[in-house]
Amino acid sequence: LAKTTQPISMDSYEGQEVNITCSHNNIATNDYITWYQQFPSQGPRFIIQGYKTKVTNEVASLFIPADRKSSTLSLPRVSLSDTAVYYCLVYAGNNRKLIWGLGTSLAVNP
Amino acid sequence: EAGVAQSPRYKIIEKRQSVAFWCNPISGHATLYWYQQILGQGPKLLIQFQNNGVVDDSQLPKDRFSAERLKGVDSTLKIQPAKLEDSAVYLCASSLTLDSRMAFFGQGTRLTVV
Repeated sequence: LAKTTQPISMDSYEGQEVNITCSHNNIATNDYITWYQQFPSQGPRFIIQGYKTKVTNEVASLFIPADRKSSTLSLPRVSLSDTAVYYCLVYAGNNRKLIWGLGTSLAVNP
Repeated sequence: EAGVAQSPRYKIIEKRQSVAFWCNPISGHATLYWYQQILGQGPKLLIQFQNNGVVDDSQLPKDRFSAERLKGVDSTLKIQPAKLEDSAVYLCASSLTLDSRMAFFGQGTRLTVV
């Protein structure tokens, strides 16, 4: 199973763009890259998923280079409410067990 | 669309007591997961159901934990007897199919064992 590595914590300020990079050197051909967001006292929430190049939705963008060994979650103009833990996972479905790491704890300061 | 419902939200019990958690997944979702999340860590899968059958329970401590999904909808997770190290948030999640790469989580049940 592919493992991911991401920074334990990051700090930012309101209005800034935040980029969180995840390393997944052993990603398999069928794996998709998925990001979840978790606020305190809540369950994780799906943010975005991609396979290659770039994916954008109303919440974030996901950049994936050609070799797919890493990916970057980009949060534009963060606000205090974006303070959360962000998890990067690689998963192909097909009943493969997801392994969740420690995630990246993002603190957005005023 | 209603989300994944869990109850109770909080539970405090003494060690060696028993406790049960309930989960109602999103309507139509065939796959249901129970996760354990210890403070400061990522979720750890305990058991995965496809309809009413167990797909993966390799990380479930079967000497004290049990789970069922009798009619393929609601599910219960039980701990008997509880230990101090069982203190954690227990998260239930569901997805449309076994192959889905997106899961929807409930708010969790925070268990404190004293």
